Amino acid sequence: DQQVKQNSPSLSVQEGRISILNCDYTNSMFDYFLWYKKYPAEGPTFLISISSIKDKNEDGRFTVFLNKSAKHLSLHIVPSQPGDSAVYFCAASPYGGATNKLIFGTGTLLAVQP
Amino acid sequence: DAGVIQSPRHEVTEMGQEVTLRCKPISGHNSLFWYRQTMMRGLELLIYFNNNVPIDDSGMPEDRFSAKMPNASFSTLKIQPSEPRDSAVYFCASTYRRPGTGGIGNEKLFFGSGTQLSVL
Repeated sequence: DQQVKQNSPSLSVQEGRISILNCDYTNSMFDYFLWYKKYPAEGPTFLISISSIKDKNEDGRFTVFLNKSAKHLSLHIVPSQPGDSAVYFCAASPYGGATNKLIFGTGTLLAVQP
Repeated sequence: DAGVIQSPRHEVTEMGQEVTLRCKPISGHNSLFWYRQTMMRGLELLIYFNNNVPIDDSGMPEDRFSAKMPNASFSTLKIQPSEPRDSAVYFCASTYRRPGTGGIGNEKLFFGSGTQLSVL
């Protein structure tokens, strides 16, 4: 059973607009959440993270929001740029981000149209 | 600065053949992970090593899969015999885990470019 779910396999957004990628989780023990970005023919790279003691973390154009009661997090990209086109993976860990316990979602393919 | 290096980039083989995937982690990193990416399950952890010692192989799907890390700069993932359902992208990742932390911390994973495996 998938503990981290990304229900939208793909998303298309116009350049300059906001991209919102969603992620749901089922395990209430998760307390650290991450987003990884993956370009074709490359490995995933770390993008942004958030601890369960926060509800928002911002890094430039990227903001992650966490709603613990709904077991939901989202990644906002504003403004979206064509270079943001990639697959985005949501990941969660029950032990403060312990890498050996990371559970990944299935990914969302973001296409930013010029 | 060289990242995680995986070889080969692509592997096409026939069912029943042995497949060996290779990984060179980032120098100085002491933890190494093997992941498999599929459309249905996303990125799944197969096995990970700390200081060259296998710690958790509970994600290895079957006895057909084995992994070794003979030294700090090299690891292999072997599938013998291979089957069509093993077709996937296999990623190796590494990180530095501070001694004594027990693996609790927000270490960032550094991934290789992956090996695209196709078993016909």
